[in-house]
Amino acid sequence: EAGVAQSPRYKIIEKRQSVAFWCNPISGHATLYWYQQILGQGPKLLIQFQNNGVVDDSQLPKDRFSAERLKGVDSTLKIQPAKLEDSAVYLCASSPNRDGYTFGSGTRLTVV
Amino acid sequence: GENVEQHPSTLSVQEGDSAVIKCTYSDSASNYFPWYKQELGKRPQLIIDIRSNVGEKKDQRIAVTLNKTAKHFSLHITETQPEDSAVYFCAATAGGFKTIFGAGTRLFVKA
Repeated sequence: EAGVAQSPRYKIIEKRQSVAFWCNPISGHATLYWYQQILGQGPKLLIQFQNNGVVDDSQLPKDRFSAERLKGVDSTLKIQPAKLEDSAVYLCASSPNRDGYTFGSGTRLTVV
Repeated sequence: GENVEQHPSTLSVQEGDSAVIKCTYSDSASNYFPWYKQELGKRPQLIIDIRSNVGEKKDQRIAVTLNKTAKHFSLHITETQPEDSAVYFCAATAGGFKTIFGAGTRLFVKA
């Protein structure tokens, strides 16, 4: 089975710029997650979708971060404007049943 | 807020020895506990998981134990090999929502 696809793999932007990440989950997986992993730390959940509805976005900095999952398949995560502390790996994951999910390779964001 | 504490942060063992990583969680509603292995520069990968209705689960050299009363669970790796070297993360999930990860344990297996 194909894995979780993410793009781009790497992104370098200046602070106050905008950036968007894309995720294509495993076919048929209803649940999709975006995680932020800062170097040396565990992944932190930003947002969880069930089909195209948001079920948890309590840790998403909504003043600058937004995410959508149109049609319950692909998802995009946007940061506008970016801050230095947003430098991290952004991981997308999907699961058929909210447990034991599969991570994508991630997008490494560097904000300078 | 809810959290998951993981210990130790770094663990160094000799090849062939056992390694044990422990986690405690605070949300009593947690009912699913996965463990992930992350090699340098790669994605976390699920290696084993356990649900709250089970006390222990084993898969070859890897085992996980769960003590719901004490709210802690542990990963046991026996006969460690150099390729086991990685960062290991525990996590706790309540009802399919709010998965919280531990801070990770960096395991070094010395040949």
